[in-house]
Amino acid sequence: DIQVTQSPLSLSASVGDRVTITCRASQSISNYLNWYQQKPGKAPRLLIYAASSLQSGVPSRFSGSGSGTDFTLTISSLQPEDFATYYCQQSYSTPPWTFGQGTKVEIK
Amino acid sequence: EVQLVESGGALVQPGGSLRLSCAASGFTVSGNYVTWVRQAPGKGLEWVSVIYSGGGTYYADSVKGRFTISRDNSKNTLYLQMNSLRAEDTAVYYCARVGVVRGYYFDYWGQGTLVTVSS
Repeated sequence: DIQVTQSPLSLSASVGDRVTITCRASQSISNYLNWYQQKPGKAPRLLIYAASSLQSGVPSRFSGSGSGTDFTLTISSLQPEDFATYYCQQSYSTPPWTFGQGTKVEIK
Repeated sequence: EVQLVESGGALVQPGGSLRLSCAASGFTVSGNYVTWVRQAPGKGLEWVSVIYSGGGTYYADSVKGRFTISRDNSKNTLYLQMNSLRAEDTAVYYCARVGVVRGYYFDYWGQGTLVTVSS
């Protein structure tokens, strides 16, 4: 099974900061990598699919990049509503599809 | 508007069974891939199972042989039959629609239903 590893697992940042989260796959997954945001007590929300495609309704400060095994999620200017946990998820080929461990973004 | 509403979560004893339901609206379960994802208390997301529009099914190794995903097209509802439940199955279970344009991703989610396995 393909594993995905996120880093860091947590970070502290201030409003207005540029934030980058990394996801590394255990083998090449082309661009079959998605990013989700989850706030406490809520269902996850799709932000980015196919590594770099912005889901409808998601602010343009969110962006994704990468292919093969290395991927990044970038928030260009962190807003108060962006403090949450972020997950990457691979969907290469047939399941099982796997999530990263999550990265908690906290207020500095 | 796409909506998914889960139900059926409960407190169940180890070794017991439970069936979760996910009522869909705004799209057809028969014409889409639909999936279950769970989250243990304080933990990350874990993909559980998917049913393809053609009826094919896949499972995580952790639930294979114990859980069965199915759907009722007439009710536009997805199910997850869970047997031989273990304490480690305790989680909030989410159903989600799978988007299939340029990959597979979970674009609409339900609110989740809590399953607690404990004596």
